[in-house]
Amino acid sequence: EPEVTQTPSHQVTQMGQEVILRCVPISNHLYFYWYRQILGQKVEFLVSFYNNEISEKSEIFDDQFSVERPDGSNFTLKIRSTKLEDSAMYFCASTGQANTEAFFGQGTRLTVV
Amino acid sequence: DAKTTQPTSMDCAEGRAANLPCNHSTISGNEYVYWYRQIHSQGPQYIIHGLKNNETNEMASLIITEDRKSSTLILPHATLRDTAVYYCIVRVAGSGAGSYQLTFGKGTKLSVIP
Repeated sequence: EPEVTQTPSHQVTQMGQEVILRCVPISNHLYFYWYRQILGQKVEFLVSFYNNEISEKSEIFDDQFSVERPDGSNFTLKIRSTKLEDSAMYFCASTGQANTEAFFGQGTRLTVV
Repeated sequence: DAKTTQPTSMDCAEGRAANLPCNHSTISGNEYVYWYRQIHSQGPQYIIHGLKNNETNEMASLIITEDRKSSTLILPHATLRDTAVYYCIVRVAGSGAGSYQLTFGKGTKLSVIP
């Protein structure tokens, strides 16, 4: 079964450092998303990406965040200057043309120290 | 998207059917009911979705009331691996590019007991 893969599974970074989280969506999917889940809290939408541009973003997705699809397979989330409160699980997801079922990756646990 | 209400937690005996209810009394005519689950801290997993007819797939059945104000997800023979948090979400399906924004609530924590 096709799957969304994320790397690394766990990233520890110092406050103020830049971090890039990587995702490989399902190959024929067209829409890509990032969600995050702070420990013990709800899964929250961050951003959606289609046709090489952001189509929707939440209030969480401020100027410290950016997304990119640098090539035909990868989809990245960059946090420019990490804060302690950025510590969370970050999930990448993708959907196909029918836009009915979202496939999520297993997540990257980001710990900011 | 309409808001949903689910019980905080439920238990189910292994091998029995798990029936997870969801209220969505403010659902609009073009909103679908979706179910996802999250096992431990893994990524959410799609289970099933429907508009007004009952739906069944290899994982579960979805029963939607005639007035569409509530629904029930049925796992016919629950196993220990079905222990997870189950999310009922309503959203407009196929509403354009990049609009698959899911609003997760707290869901129902289902514990399958041996």
